[in-house]
Amino acid sequence: IVMTQSPATLSVSPGERATLSCRASQNININLAWYQQTPGQAPRLLIYGASTRATGIPARFSGSGSGTEFTLTISSLQSEDFAVYYCQQYHNWPPITFGQGTRLEIK
Amino acid sequence: DVQLVESGGGLVQPGGSLRLSCAASGFTFNIYEMNWVRQAPGKGLEWISYISSHGDTIYYADSVKGRFSIARDNARNSLYLQMDSLRAEDTAVYYCAREIILGDYDAFDLWGQGTMVSVSS
Repeated sequence: IVMTQSPATLSVSPGERATLSCRASQNININLAWYQQTPGQAPRLLIYGASTRATGIPARFSGSGSGTEFTLTISSLQSEDFAVYYCQQYHNWPPITFGQGTRLEIK
Repeated sequence: DVQLVESGGGLVQPGGSLRLSCAASGFTFNIYEMNWVRQAPGKGLEWISYISSHGDTIYYADSVKGRFSIARDNARNSLYLQMDSLRAEDTAVYYCAREIILGDYDAFDLWGQGTMVSVSS
């Protein structure tokens, strides 16, 4: 299953909303997770089951979607949110597959 | 602290071998499925291998099948990746990642800090 994220880079001002997209090449129900990676750091789990926030993740992060179309929304961007975000499917595996990432940068 | 710590990375010539280790602490290692994920410089994440909690089920990505071997020692709370016949395209940061089952869903909820493997002559 190929995961395609868009856009590759997203420029947003602090305090504004960011919307990131992830598309699966076939139906994955809601077997999708989102990860955040800041420079030099390991990825961090944000969302699993397409819409459930992981432990300790702020409420400004939300996930939605099912089937082949998914969205990660960050409602009011904080400085620490500027990072690279990856979606991951585990519906039909192996292999587990990741999207190529969306870089969220400060506008 | 709950953590994973990788080690064993370094510079190796093409065709060479390396063995990576991942030491787990702060949690009951033997009930968790584990994975290796790598990231080439400036690139995205690539899953490469999975091992079940008791080591009886193993999977590999096609890119490493036949060259890499995953193993675990639950008595030592450790995960391993034996990498043979290394190629330049295996150059990456290698992460071990804990897999958690959350209801009906899986995710990687704990990651190590990564260990760099460079394959070059």
